[in-house]
Amino acid sequence: AQSVTQLGSHVSVSEGALVLLRCNYSSSVPPYLFWYVQYPNQGLQLLLKYTTGATLVKGINGFEAEFKKSETSFHLTKPSAHMSDAAEYFCAVSVLGKGGGNKLTFGTGTQLKVEL
Amino acid sequence: DSGVTQTPKHLITATGQRVTLRCSPRSGDLSVYWYQQSLDQGLQFLIQYYNGEERAKGNILERFSAQQFPDLHSELNLSSLELGDSALYFCASSPRGLDTIYFGEGSWLTVV
Repeated sequence: AQSVTQLGSHVSVSEGALVLLRCNYSSSVPPYLFWYVQYPNQGLQLLLKYTTGATLVKGINGFEAEFKKSETSFHLTKPSAHMSDAAEYFCAVSVLGKGGGNKLTFGTGTQLKVEL
Repeated sequence: DSGVTQTPKHLITATGQRVTLRCSPRSGDLSVYWYQQSLDQGLQFLIQYYNGEERAKGNILERFSAQQFPDLHSELNLSSLELGDSALYFCASSPRGLDTIYFGEGSWLTVV
């Protein structure tokens, strides 16, 4: 079974500073990996995804993530934080099941706070 | 706007009652998923349907059931509600199997 671990339930950065949100996954087969963002009282919005191919994935709002198989990691970064980036971020892993089912398994989330 | 529509957005009901949450997937998407988000359990996968058939099952209680109709909309039925069922219930959809899953805004359920 696949799983995701997000290190740090709360991360605080200064505006303009580097954002680094950590995600490690466990999967017995090649995974599909995702980062979602949830703003207060809203649904989940896809930031970026890794399926196959290039290991550095660029997403929306200046975010990117690198798939590192040797480290089983998929950390999310952004060079310069903006106040509008304050939200909760979820890493997720997906593996196609035997019956064709797709169970997207989420981490526990990281709340990002951006300070002036 | 993801294109996934959920109703109602907010619902308050009493313990022991039954409610139905409705979801319309994005146009053309065949897969529908249901997730529950609560403070203590986080985001939990409940169930997936593909073109009307159940494809994957997660931590869905026996008191809960879902179905996907021929027009591809889906309903999640929650019965014998308990205080602990209070949560945000998300519906999501995707075109097929491992495609990107798009989430709706969620239905807030409060059981009092």
